[in-house]
Amino acid sequence: DTGVSQDPRHKITKRGQNVTFRCDPISEHNRLYWYRQTLGQGPEFLTYFQNEAQLEKSRLLSDRFSAERPKGSFSTLEIQRTEQGDSAMYLCASSLAAGGTQYFGPGTRLTVL
Amino acid sequence: AQTVTQSQPEMSVQEAETVTLSCTYDTSESDYYLFWYKQPPSRQMILVIRQEAYKQQNATENRFSVNFQKAAKSFSLKISDSQLGDAAMYFCAPTLRGAQKLVFGQGTRLTINP
Repeated sequence: DTGVSQDPRHKITKRGQNVTFRCDPISEHNRLYWYRQTLGQGPEFLTYFQNEAQLEKSRLLSDRFSAERPKGSFSTLEIQRTEQGDSAMYLCASSLAAGGTQYFGPGTRLTVL
Repeated sequence: AQTVTQSQPEMSVQEAETVTLSCTYDTSESDYYLFWYKQPPSRQMILVIRQEAYKQQNATENRFSVNFQKAAKSFSLKISDSQLGDAAMYFCAPTLRGAQKLVFGQGTRLTINP
């Protein structure tokens, strides 16, 4: 049983650099979500895909952030010109249906120096 | 806008005893789902239990059960016979049927005392 996987698990970068994260959802799940979690807080929604279509974006997702899911399978989240405030855990989740249980990956922890 | 309040930042319980974690939320919708997730230290988010708002019967999953009061917009989690492995952050998260996204509370850190 393959769950949601994320790569890399940890990323340390310098302010101003670009970073890209990958998420592989559970294979039959057509819905994919990105969340951001800062220390001591609950996750906050960033964006959502149904198949390859990006259907909702949070206001948290500034123009430095972009997400894609080109073939309706894996997704990438890119952050351009990283800032120290971008330091967080980036979580990916997938689900089979609307209102269905979202299954989470292990997350990518980003540290911006 | 939907908001979620978990009023207990930290809770502790003796092993084998019962503990209840509270959650209240605010929504104008009538059709939604509610979830409790646990997040052990440095580990990934795991589903504990799920409740459909249209169901009057409270969900149960082994030692975990909920008390869902729709009119009061309350969704508490009861853990019976607490085990050391239950130690984690617990998050309450409702989602609107159409909105898709989970809206998380601030979490409750649960400690199990041996």
